[in-house]
Amino acid sequence: AQRVTQPEKLLSVFKGAPVELKCNYSYSGSPELFWYVQYSRQRLQLLLRHISRESIKGFTADLNKGETSFHLKKPFAQEEDSAMYYCALRSGGGADGLTFGKGTHLIIQP
Amino acid sequence: GAVVSQHPSWVICKSGTSVKIECRSLDFQATTMFWYRQFPKQSLMLMATSNEGSKATYEQGVEKDKFLINHASLTLSTLTVTSAHPEDSSFYICSASGRTGGYNEQFFGPGTRLTVL
Repeated sequence: AQRVTQPEKLLSVFKGAPVELKCNYSYSGSPELFWYVQYSRQRLQLLLRHISRESIKGFTADLNKGETSFHLKKPFAQEEDSAMYYCALRSGGGADGLTFGKGTHLIIQP
Repeated sequence: GAVVSQHPSWVICKSGTSVKIECRSLDFQATTMFWYRQFPKQSLMLMATSNEGSKATYEQGVEKDKFLINHASLTLSTLTVTSAHPEDSSFYICSASGRTGGYNEQFFGPGTRLTVL
């Protein structure tokens, strides 16, 4: 069975400090990994996907198959980064639903 | 960007009644739509995958007779919670699958909060 683990329910950092939100997964095949973000009172939206290897809003995430991790990083946190972040996994093919982690609430203090 | 709407945004019903939730893709056609459930302070849990013109595929542990899904067109999927009970109270979120930048992406609706009294 596939599983996504986000060990931190809450992460609080100061503005300008580096941020790392941890995500580990369990899946027997080759998964697709995503990070979704949910700002206050807004819907879930895609932040980035591992396959495109992009940087969005200063965030990056590298898939480490050896450690089965997909940690989200940003070198300098901004107040507008405060939100709920979900790591998600999808089996290859694109036709399947997502398996989500429990989410990490990121709070950026001024 | 692609927009997905849900209606209603919240609903309160009496125990034993049925409630229908609509999920629409407003500016794109979605062959596949997904229904998730989110309990308070917990993550989203996939309930079922809905393909246009065919029966939905339910995740293990999800009662298909309890949660009826219909995907009659490329822009509309409905979830009906039949004979609702207080334990069905939850936040129900749909997503629709579309392609952006060459990738399949899920676009999420705003969710529907169901409270069963």
